[in-house]
Amino acid sequence: GQQLNQSPQSMFIQEGEDVSMNCTSSSIFNTWLWYKQDPGEGPVLLIALYKAGELTSNGRLTAQFGITRKDSFLNISASIPSDVGIYFCAGQRANAGKSTFGDGTTLTVKP
Amino acid sequence: AAGVIQSPRHLIKEKRETATLKCYPIPRHDTVYWYQQGPGQDPQFLISFYEKMQSDKGSIPDRFSAQQFSDYHSELNMSSLELGDSALYFCASSFYRAAEAFFGQGTRLTVV
Repeated sequence: GQQLNQSPQSMFIQEGEDVSMNCTSSSIFNTWLWYKQDPGEGPVLLIALYKAGELTSNGRLTAQFGITRKDSFLNISASIPSDVGIYFCAGQRANAGKSTFGDGTTLTVKP
Repeated sequence: AAGVIQSPRHLIKEKRETATLKCYPIPRHDTVYWYQQGPGQDPQFLISFYEKMQSDKGSIPDRFSAQQFSDYHSELNMSSLELGDSALYFCASSFYRAAEAFFGQGTRLTVV
């Protein structure tokens, strides 16, 4: 089936540093989503991308929809301790609201 | 703003028992998705409903069934529970099958 590979699997950074993570797929998606999940909680939607090449920001977060439609990246600038969590990318095919999730990137921010 | 409400938050069942998980979508949302997330895993799509009809089916076991009611809330029924069914079960909702789905806080099911 479809598989989304996220990298890196985990990151340990200092507060104030910038972070970059990406997500690649063997197949095309029409929509890319980025979620953040805290332990024991549901994923929270951060950014949604709808067009190849689209670059979208949400505060300190910036995400891009790759032009091949098989990848996406998420950048976090000036990280803060509350950025800690697991970041998931998710892809959707056309006319299908279900999401296929990546395997997550665990972010740890040291104060 | 109102969010997706799931109940119960925690559930402990014995093997071979049944369980029912409930999901109340965000008001005016007509689409509901169910996901299962094992420990250290990413959420796996189970099933979805749009306007009370099943719209898509993923890796949902035959022992599980779900439906969406006239008030758009949804229930996931799980029978003959197995130890491997222990997981977090999330419900998400969106409007008109929009890509932007909002997740509930989940139900943690433990089968002993």
